[in-house]
Amino acid sequence: GQQVMQIPQYQHVQEGEDFTTYCNSSTTLSNIQWYKQRPGGHPVFLIQLVKSGEVKKQKRLTFQFGEAKKNSSLHITATQTTDVGTYFCAGREDSGGSNYKLTFGKGTLLTVNP
Amino acid sequence: NAGVTQTPKFRILKIGQSMTLQCTQDMNHNYMYWYRQDPGMGLKLIYYSVGAGITDKGEVPNGYNVSRSTTEDFPLRLELAAPSQTSVYFCASKGTGNQPQHFGDGTRLSIL
Repeated sequence: GQQVMQIPQYQHVQEGEDFTTYCNSSTTLSNIQWYKQRPGGHPVFLIQLVKSGEVKKQKRLTFQFGEAKKNSSLHITATQTTDVGTYFCAGREDSGGSNYKLTFGKGTLLTVNP
Repeated sequence: NAGVTQTPKFRILKIGQSMTLQCTQDMNHNYMYWYRQDPGMGLKLIYYSVGAGITDKGEVPNGYNVSRSTTEDFPLRLELAAPSQTSVYFCASKGTGNQPQHFGDGTRLSIL
């Protein structure tokens, strides 16, 4: 079945440093979504990418979808303590089936030292 | 603006006991999901439903059961609790198309 790998598993940075997490799927994706989970909280939707090579920005966060639609990345510029949490990617396989199931990566836990 | 509501928030069970985790949503979403989250392991899909009266197994269904008698409610039942079921359980729902999933606050379950 479809697998979604995410690296790194953990990342500790000093406040102000940049951060990137990478997501790779074993199959071509129709779309990819990114979620953030604060410690003790629940996953919250950040963004969705649909088109090959798509790049979207949300303030200091930049999301990319690979040309082959099998990988994605999230880059945070100049991290802040409010960025602490686990970032998950979740993809839907481009198999022509229904769009109701996502496969989640294991997430990258980001900690920020003030 | 409640969204997805899960109860209880915390529960401790003894081995062999049974319980039902409740999940209700007020967004009229057809799709609902149950995930479990173990430390460092991401979210694993237990069961999902594409509408009232329709349920299907996810990646890790053993030891669990679900029902979907209404659009709003999607309870998850543990019949014979085992220590391996200690986890955080999240319910989620979504609308049609490529809509994102909306998660509840989770139920933290310990089985001793």
